[in-house]
This record gives sequence, C-alpha cells and structure tokens, in this order.
Amino acid sequence: DAGVTQSPTHLIKTRGQQVTLRCSPKSGHDTVSWYQQALGQGPQFIFQYYEEEERQRGNFPDRFSGHQFPNYSSELNVNALLLGDSALYLCASSFYRIRNQPQHFGDGTRLSIL
Amino acid sequence: GNSVTQMEGPVTLSEEAFLTINCTYTATGYPSLFWYVQYPGEGLQLLLKATKADDKGSNKGFEATYRKETTSFHLEKGSVQVSDSAVYFCALSLSYSSASKIIFGSGTRLSIRP
Repeated sequence: DAGVTQSPTHLIKTRGQQVTLRCSPKSGHDTVSWYQQALGQGPQFIFQYYEEEERQRGNFPDRFSGHQFPNYSSELNVNALLLGDSALYLCASSFYRIRNQPQHFGDGTRLSIL
Repeated sequence: GNSVTQMEGPVTLSEEAFLTINCTYTATGYPSLFWYVQYPGEGLQLLLKATKADDKGSNKGFEATYRKETTSFHLEKGSVQVSDSAVYFCALSLSYSSASKIIFGSGTRLSIRP
C-alpha cells in the first residue's frame, strides 16, 4: 500500500521562474493539503483540495495555486518565485468526511531558489 | 488566534535519560492535539494524538496528556534511545474532520548521545 508520494524530490529554480510540484495521495484518501516548511520552522498550511476544489486556504499570496485531478492527485504551482519561497513543500492526504483519522505526509519536495 | 508554542531546542540528552518537551496552545473551541516527528530527510510522521481533555496519547514509549486547564500537551518519554533523535512538532487542529488544517509549533530538535 503506497503512502503519499511527492515529486520531484529536489528542485532548483531562479527568481521569477514558475514551478509545479506533484503529489499522489495515499490509496483511498480523497483530500490533499499542502504545507510549506521553511528551514528551522514548523510547516505552514497553504491550501487544501477536495472534489477538485480549493476548500481551505492559509495566508499565502495568489502566486500559490493548485489543482486536484479526478484521481485525487494534486499539483502545487508557484509563480514569480522569490528567494523566500525556498522551503520544503509537504503534501498530506486524508479522508474529508471521516473523523479522527490521521493525515499522512509525504517526504516533501525541497525547493531552492537562487 | 490559534497557535502552538513549544520549547526551543536543541535538546541534547544521554541515552536512557528522561525526556520532556513542553508544549502549550491557544485555540478557540476544542482542538485535537498532536505530536509529529520528523527524521532527517523525511516527512512528518504522527507520533501520538489526543482529541479531548484528559485524554492520554501514547506510542513507542512516548506519552502526552491533554490538559485543558493549563492548555498544555507536554511530550514525555521515560528512557530515550539514540534512534529517537529527530525534530518533534506539537500541533493542533480545530475540527474532528480528518482533513482539517493542522497548526504546527516551530519544532524542537532532539539529539541523544550514546
């Protein structure tokens, strides 16, 4: 039973570029959440997708956008990259309508902005 | 607002020492509380959780009790091992939905000397 998988593992971009990160949820899960973890900090919630719609959003600018596909996988897009976007981006999957089940996290994509 | 505060690290202990990592929270309503662990180069793993006051979460020798009166959820282990070296995050969520966004503390790095 595959857990949450993220790709790529590492990515290097320059300022102003655009990036797309990908996430496949744990088998059976229908909801994907994205988090940004800056070095030495705890993860910060970016947004969540369920039924191909953004359901919740954290305090991130519109440069951060996402998408969920019919197979529940998800993409995170970041436009006009800034140096401050350098971070570990974590994807978590879960059930939307079931209570008290843990969210499962992937190993993340390490994004470095030069 | 809703937040989690945990003791700053790094915390360095000798093997078989007693561990306490302090965590307090601020939340509206009745949050669920969690401890997550992050090993080097990996994503987050749920270590334990508690969903209501006076609940005790436990796993792998770690314990934490949900104290509503002191708004705390301190992590303890009676005898740490070198393999416990990792970063530990205290966290909360404000809904019983498994997909609810998680608010994390800033993390405590734990290093265990042989």
